[in-house]
Amino acid sequence: EIVMTQSPATLSVSPGERATLSCRASQSVSSSLAWYRQKPGQAPRLLIYGASTRATGIPARFSGSGSGTEFTLTISSLQSEDFAVYYCQQYKNWPFTFGPGTKVDIK
Amino acid sequence: QLQLQESGPGLVKPSETLSLTCTVSGGSISSSSSFWGWIRQPPGKGLEWIASISYSGSTFYNPSLRSRVTISVDTSKNQLSLKLSSVTAADTAMYHCARGYYSSSRWYHFDFWGQGTLVTVSS
Repeated sequence: EIVMTQSPATLSVSPGERATLSCRASQSVSSSLAWYRQKPGQAPRLLIYGASTRATGIPARFSGSGSGTEFTLTISSLQSEDFAVYYCQQYKNWPFTFGPGTKVDIK
Repeated sequence: QLQLQESGPGLVKPSETLSLTCTVSGGSISSSSSFWGWIRQPPGKGLEWIASISYSGSTFYNPSLRSRVTISVDTSKNQLSLKLSSVTAADTAMYHCARGYYSSSRWYHFDFWGQGTLVTVSS
């Protein structure tokens, strides 16, 4: 099983600032990596797939990078709706696995 | 726009079987570009993939749950189902169904999610 880790566990950022979230896989997942945002009381929403492709309707302030075992999600200018929990997920191998999440809260 | 809606009992007794249904609207559960999955989230915790099934019936299960889980599709009703047997308090969670993108025999990301249904295991 591929183990996904995320850092930091919590990130405190001021509105309008940049946020950089990291995700690491225990073995290479190539570019089979997705990022999701989950607001309280809501289902996760797909942000990025293929490590760097924005999903439909996702604004350009979200960008993903990386391949192999190291990945980054960057939010260029945090909006109020971006204060949430972010999960990475690999879909290279079964079982699909998620990272533990990074909570982005207001500084 | 594809929509997924989970349904099932909110309370299940320990040792019993949890049965959930996900009704898909706005698209066909038999689409060759789709696969389907169940993901759960214990209160205050992270996401755990449970199982997935393709339009052709191929299934994959989380090894940690494999012995207790069955995933299936009813194409006539456009529904996805999950059965989890011998439940314990550790199975208390929000259960989400989701659609995954499938292409050229490869399984990709989950792009549509249901809001989830909370299942509590308690006597």
